[in-house]
Amino acid sequence: DAGVTQSPTHLIKTRGQQVTLRCSPKSGHDTVSWYQQALGQGPQFIFQYYEEEERQRGNFPDRFSGHQFPNYSSELNVNALLLGDSALYLCASSLPVGTVDGYTFGSGTRLTVV
Amino acid sequence: GQQLNQSPQSMFIQEGEDVSMNCTSSSIFNTWLWYKQDPGEGPVLLIALYKAGELTSNGRLTAQFGITRKDSFLNISASIPSDVGIYFCAGYKAAGNKLTFGGGTRVLVKP
Repeated sequence: DAGVTQSPTHLIKTRGQQVTLRCSPKSGHDTVSWYQQALGQGPQFIFQYYEEEERQRGNFPDRFSGHQFPNYSSELNVNALLLGDSALYLCASSLPVGTVDGYTFGSGTRLTVV
Repeated sequence: GQQLNQSPQSMFIQEGEDVSMNCTSSSIFNTWLWYKQDPGEGPVLLIALYKAGELTSNGRLTAQFGITRKDSFLNISASIPSDVGIYFCAGYKAAGNKLTFGGGTRVLVKP
């Protein structure tokens, strides 16, 4: 049973460019959350998707947007990249209402903005 | 920014030692969780705590959910080399279905 899979694993982009990161949730999960983890810090909640809609959003600018597809997979898009967007981006899948210990993280995408 | 304050930020362990770390919050959480993150990986759940005052063990790990619901601690007994990594506390509120993480405790091996 595959867990949460993210692609690509590493990415280098130039300031001002746009990037798309992808996530496939764990089998049976229908909710996808995205987190940004800067170097040396804990993950910060970006937003959450359920039923193809953004349900919750953290304190991130509109340059960060997302999408969820009918098969529950999700994309995170970041426009007009800044150096400060360099981080590990983690995807987590879960059921919308359930025990939080079913919340499962992927291995992340390491984004470097130069 | 972070709502959870985790301490210490880093610690050195020697095999066989017991270690302890804690986490405090300015707000109440319904559930407290402890994760471990190895290099190049996402966080992996170690222990989940659901009730104030709850004390839960998972092998050599023991964690407690504070009575005020604003704090938690994690103990690792008889540490071994594979305990090296970064440990995060996280608070969960069911209404938001999201996690709020602490800044992490980096556990390193004494040279």
